[in-house]
Amino acid sequence: QVQLQESGPGLVKPSETLSLTCSVSGASITWNYWCWIRQSPGQGLEWIGCLFDSGSFNYNPSLKSRATISKDTSKNQFSLKLSSVTAVDTAVYYCAREGGGGYSGYDFVYWGQGILVTVSS
Amino acid sequence: EIVLTQSPATLSLSPGERATLSCRTSQSVSDYLGWYQQKPGRAPRLLIYGTSKRAPGVPARFSGSGSGTDFTLTISSLEPEDFAVYYCQQRNNNWPTFGGGTKVEVK
Repeated sequence: QVQLQESGPGLVKPSETLSLTCSVSGASITWNYWCWIRQSPGQGLEWIGCLFDSGSFNYNPSLKSRATISKDTSKNQFSLKLSSVTAVDTAVYYCAREGGGGYSGYDFVYWGQGILVTVSS
Repeated sequence: EIVLTQSPATLSLSPGERATLSCRTSQSVSDYLGWYQQKPGRAPRLLIYGTSKRAPGVPARFSGSGSGTDFTLTISSLEPEDFAVYYCQQRNNNWPTFGGGTKVEVK
């Protein structure tokens, strides 16, 4: 079955760049939508962006171009970079995939377990 | 950005009772509305997509309805494992947004 696992630093300093990786098993990242979503106590669930199977991307406009998603097909991984972080970026970050055939592109069926990232000096 | 407003914030019910959760969107989302269940320390789980379609493995006691801007998730008879937080989510205009959640707690 499809499994996703986030990895990366749990602590990032303000103004620096948050970098996370999602390792995928049971499916190829060359197909479907591969996305990042975060959850903070103050802001609930927030969609960050998705990488499409076409190779294009879609990002949450409210992040003001701070987010970048990339992929490494040789490792079957995709990554998130979020620049110029502040305390409000403290959250649990999830990688997720839409359901595929029969679902719309943003029905998030498969999720990683999540990784807590704290922004603090 | 389409804003989703869920009500009530908390629903206190007993096992066996019926739960009715509401999600109102700030503009029409057609039928692009889904519902997720989240338990403490776990990722959200998709229950309903396309307003009324149950995801595989989701019990029949969960049902979704609505259209346009008003949507409902109904749990016909609460089981002990159903006490959790529920979120609605829309995907219109390729900018997914989530509601603030409804916590279903044991009365």
